Amino acid sequence: QQQVKQSPQSLIVQKGGISIINCAYENTAFDYFPWYQQFPGKGPALLIAIRPDVSEKKEGRFTISFNKSAKQFSLHIMDSQPGDSATYFCAASSGANSKLTFGKGITLSVRP
Amino acid sequence: DVKVTQSSRYLVKRTGEKVFLECVQDMDHENMFWYRQDPGLGLRLIYFSYDVKMKEKGDIPEGYSVSREKKERFSLILESASTNQTSMYLCASSLRGIEQYFGPGTRLTVT
Repeated sequence: QQQVKQSPQSLIVQKGGISIINCAYENTAFDYFPWYQQFPGKGPALLIAIRPDVSEKKEGRFTISFNKSAKQFSLHIMDSQPGDSATYFCAASSGANSKLTFGKGITLSVRP
Repeated sequence: DVKVTQSSRYLVKRTGEKVFLECVQDMDHENMFWYRQDPGLGLRLIYFSYDVKMKEKGDIPEGYSVSREKKERFSLILESASTNQTSMYLCASSLRGIEQYFGPGTRLTVT
């Protein structure tokens, strides 16, 4: 049973466009929702994260939108740049430990 | 800056060999994790540890074991490597439930 599901599986966006990646979860005990970014040859790195007490969090060009009733959260990348081309993972965890459940990841390509 | 280092970037082993993957973090983090990453399957947790000499199974522990004798070091052991363990292995550490910091990964090929 996949507890965290990402969509789409891959995404191609033109430079300057908006990239939107969606994530759905099943476990209502989850209370921490991060997005990780991974470039080829590197380990994933935390991009932005949200807790369910807020519906939106923005850091620069990156925004997480959170819908608790729908059990969904999404990553929006505004003014997408070729340097944003990477694999993006959503994840979720619950409780005091930091054990994360990851989605399968999506590959974003931003065309010049 | 937090640094998580892994002993090898690339490793080639033969079927049946015992394989050790080492991970070291320099930020005194309590939590350490081992994942494997496969195309289309994302990151899957193998084992994790909340403290020295403590370990817990993740989602896919079969065929693996771990060792944590010192706080900064977490080792993944493949007792008898098999071809289906060919994968990218990622180590991560975190401080009390917050951000996980990942190493660069070890690409293991078992022939």
